[in-house]
Amino acid sequence: DTGVSQDPRHKITKRGQNVTFRCDPISEHNRLYWYRQTLGQGPEFLTYFQNEAQLEKSRLLSDRFSAERPKGSFSTLEIQRTEQGDSAMYLCASSAGGGGSYEQYFGPGTRLTVT
Amino acid sequence: AQTVTQSQPEMSVQEAETVTLSCTYDTSESDYYLFWYKQPPSRQMILVIRQEAYKQQNATENRFSVNFQKAAKSFSLKISDSQLGDAAMYFCAYRGGADGLTFGKGTHLIIQP
Repeated sequence: DTGVSQDPRHKITKRGQNVTFRCDPISEHNRLYWYRQTLGQGPEFLTYFQNEAQLEKSRLLSDRFSAERPKGSFSTLEIQRTEQGDSAMYLCASSAGGGGSYEQYFGPGTRLTVT
Repeated sequence: AQTVTQSQPEMSVQEAETVTLSCTYDTSESDYYLFWYKQPPSRQMILVIRQEAYKQQNATENRFSVNFQKAAKSFSLKISDSQLGDAAMYFCAYRGGADGLTFGKGTHLIIQP
């Protein structure tokens, strides 16, 4: 068990560019979550997958944000036409099942800076 | 919508002493879970302790314990015998019927040697 990994750890981009982040969950975990954490705030839930199915996406911040988990393993989060307000830490978490009895294990995050 | 409030942006405690971090929440759900997560500087978030709302007994994990007051919607974390490694941001989180966690803004805990 190597834990949840995220790539890249840091990303600097210019406003208007598209960015894509990758999350590799713990191998046997079927649930995968994305959160955004801005400075001085707690993480904010964005979306989640059960296997390859995206079961909640109404919390994505705008239609510029999209996420995929094509084979039920790793996931990608894409932000199109980045804005300075997108600068934040993007966290991924995974769990072995749904419900509060299953712990969500967090990755180290991808820090995005939009200049 | 559920909300989680942490009213202490920062707390400081002497090493080996006890500190209590406060958390209140608002929900109309009857079945839910509450969590405390620790986020050390530049390191990933880890679960400290979990409480199921239907359990009256307060959860404990070694030096960490909670005071869960369901009627008051209060969920405080007590850290006994504070250690330097306890220094971190601590987040209170809620999970009800929806799958994502709802977090508070966090409390920055400083341990004075």
